[in-house]
Amino acid sequence: GDSVTQMEGPVTLSEEAFLTINCTYTATGYPSLFWYVQYPGEGLQLLLKATKADDKGSNKGFEATYRKETTSFHLEKGSVQVSDSAVYFCALSPAGTASKLTFGTGTRLQVTL
Amino acid sequence: GAGVSQSPRYKVAKRGQDVALRCDPISGHVSLFWYQQALGQGPEFLTYFQNEAQLDKSGLPSDRFFAERPEGSVSTLKIQRTQQEDSAVYLCASSSRGRLGGYTFGSGTRLTVV
Repeated sequence: GDSVTQMEGPVTLSEEAFLTINCTYTATGYPSLFWYVQYPGEGLQLLLKATKADDKGSNKGFEATYRKETTSFHLEKGSVQVSDSAVYFCALSPAGTASKLTFGTGTRLQVTL
Repeated sequence: GAGVSQSPRYKVAKRGQDVALRCDPISGHVSLFWYQQALGQGPEFLTYFQNEAQLDKSGLPSDRFFAERPEGSVSTLKIQRTQQEDSAVYLCASSSRGRLGGYTFGSGTRLTVV
């Protein structure tokens, strides 16, 4: 079945540091890939998505590129802020449908001054 | 409404008690999903509705879990004879049909079984 593996946290960075959170997946065909963010005390929010190979999703300074050859969708940001502290979830859904999401276990990011 | 609304926000149940969790999706959203998120884990799929039809219930962990969406809008997740392992955050999400990735999640109901 489909699965998502993401790096374990917590990840602790100083403000303005470069962020990478690794995500790899196992799925048949060409799933859609997502990053969701969960801020403290809030619900899951869609951060960015990519629906086909080599697509780059971007939002709020975050980027992730759909790499079919390495089955990866790593999340990056050039300069993190304290306000980026949250839990980040990588997820996938089968291609072409509004079907169920399969999530990774989440990576907690803590950014300090 | 503007977002997905879930109630109650918190629920404490004694072991063996029945509970009902409500989800009010975004108006017009055809698809509705329920997920279970255990502490420190990612959400796990429970069930999926398209309008009033329950198309996938493969994630429901036991026959104590039951979900319905009788009029294709509000949905209720019911857990009978709650057990401690049912303690989790229950998330509801809705989506426009055919809109990839357009899932909007509610804030969830945190269920604690004591």
